Amino acid sequence: SQQGEEDPQALSIQEGENATMNCSYKTSINNLQWYRQNSGRGLVHLILIRSNEREKHSGRLRVTLDTSKKSSSLLITASRAADTASYFCATDANNQGGKLIFGQGTELSVKP
Amino acid sequence: DAGVIQSPRHEVTEMGQEVTLRCKPISGHNSLFWYRQTMMRGLELLIYFNNNVPIDDSGMPEDRFSAKMPNASFSTLKIQPSEPRDSAVYFCASREDRPTDTQYFGPGTRLTVL
Repeated sequence: SQQGEEDPQALSIQEGENATMNCSYKTSINNLQWYRQNSGRGLVHLILIRSNEREKHSGRLRVTLDTSKKSSSLLITASRAADTASYFCATDANNQGGKLIFGQGTELSVKP
Repeated sequence: DAGVIQSPRHEVTEMGQEVTLRCKPISGHNSLFWYRQTMMRGLELLIYFNNNVPIDDSGMPEDRFSAKMPNASFSTLKIQPSEPRDSAVYFCASREDRPTDTQYFGPGTRLTVL
């Protein structure tokens, strides 16, 4: 079964608005990572947050991690049409040798 | 660095044929991962190697699939014989173990089995 589950499955917003995507997981983790995938392309790493971190920023991205609730959120501020893509969370679970388990992804559409 | 390189980018073959997908990881990375992505099943880890040794192949769907990593700069994923249900995008990713733990993905190989 999938370790990470994203919510919502699809999100449509206007340019300039903020986009929030959530991820829930089931087991203890070393870290959680967010990736972006443009249509027909490979995955691009966005940000990694370790289990002892609660919040991390990278440009317009803000990631939070709540290990007590086994959940994470990705916030994209001031969205742009170029942010249109699928976003995946991936968990690096304890004692799994570093392999990542991906969620099903959130499909984000930013309309100009 | 050129990033993770995969070939071919597209492969169309007929059922029963052998298919070989290739991957060149980023130089200096210790781990290499093979994933398969489909609409139905999402992104699935098939197998991963650490220092050229297969660590976990529990995601390999059946005996028709095999993977090798003869050296640190090359890996193959082979399907023999191929079936229409193997149609998917296959990604290779590599990682420099600690401190980054970040996986870098190749562009993928889109496989269509007729």
